[in-house]
Amino acid sequence: DGGITQSPKYLFRKEGQNVTLSCEQNLNHDAMYWYRQDPGQGLRLIYYSQIVNDFQKGDIAEGYSVSREKKESFPLTVTSAQKNPTAFYLCASSIEETSRKFFGPGTRLTVL
Amino acid sequence: AQTVTQSQPEMSVQEAETVTLSCTYDTSESNYYLFWYKQPPSRQMILVIRQEAYKQQNATENRFSVNFQKAAKSFSLKISDSQLGDTAMYFCAFMGEADKLIFGTGTRLQVFP
Repeated sequence: DGGITQSPKYLFRKEGQNVTLSCEQNLNHDAMYWYRQDPGQGLRLIYYSQIVNDFQKGDIAEGYSVSREKKESFPLTVTSAQKNPTAFYLCASSIEETSRKFFGPGTRLTVL
Repeated sequence: AQTVTQSQPEMSVQEAETVTLSCTYDTSESNYYLFWYKQPPSRQMILVIRQEAYKQQNATENRFSVNFQKAAKSFSLKISDSQLGDTAMYFCAFMGEADKLIFGTGTRLQVFP
């Protein structure tokens, strides 16, 4: 089946530690995105990548980093510089020339 | 900058009835897309319906339809014959030339039997 997978579903981290969230897609999509969701707010864009080895900051990139070494993979690292990392993180992908985005199941990150 | 506003934090409707969720947006662009996404308790984001701004005809997907008023920058979602499985958060979203989705804050819809 084609789709987007995110792992793990739940992630716990101690304050001050970096942590990496996985996002993989087998849809052959060029573009991939990371969103953050907080209670009472809509999704906010962290980073996006339109093509391999290239990515751009979204609206709330501070404290996060990404890489795009393969078309299928777009991991997100939450660094210790992120002041309030506890949130629900959603990965998405799309074919560049269409507007429809497909979302993964999400990762719930909790900082202890 | 584009903004999306959903002014109804919560709505409720009885099963089989019709409910309308409101959304307004602000943009200076002329070519863009508008979306309604559903997020059930599983938290998976599911595309409900999509509208292209250059199309005057309102999009329809089975029990879901939109009322797109471009001049008023309004994009409401109508759910007919509501079902218990429609209970979810509903997000309105805008995508312009930058290919970035901008979301509203969501409306929590509860369908009662």
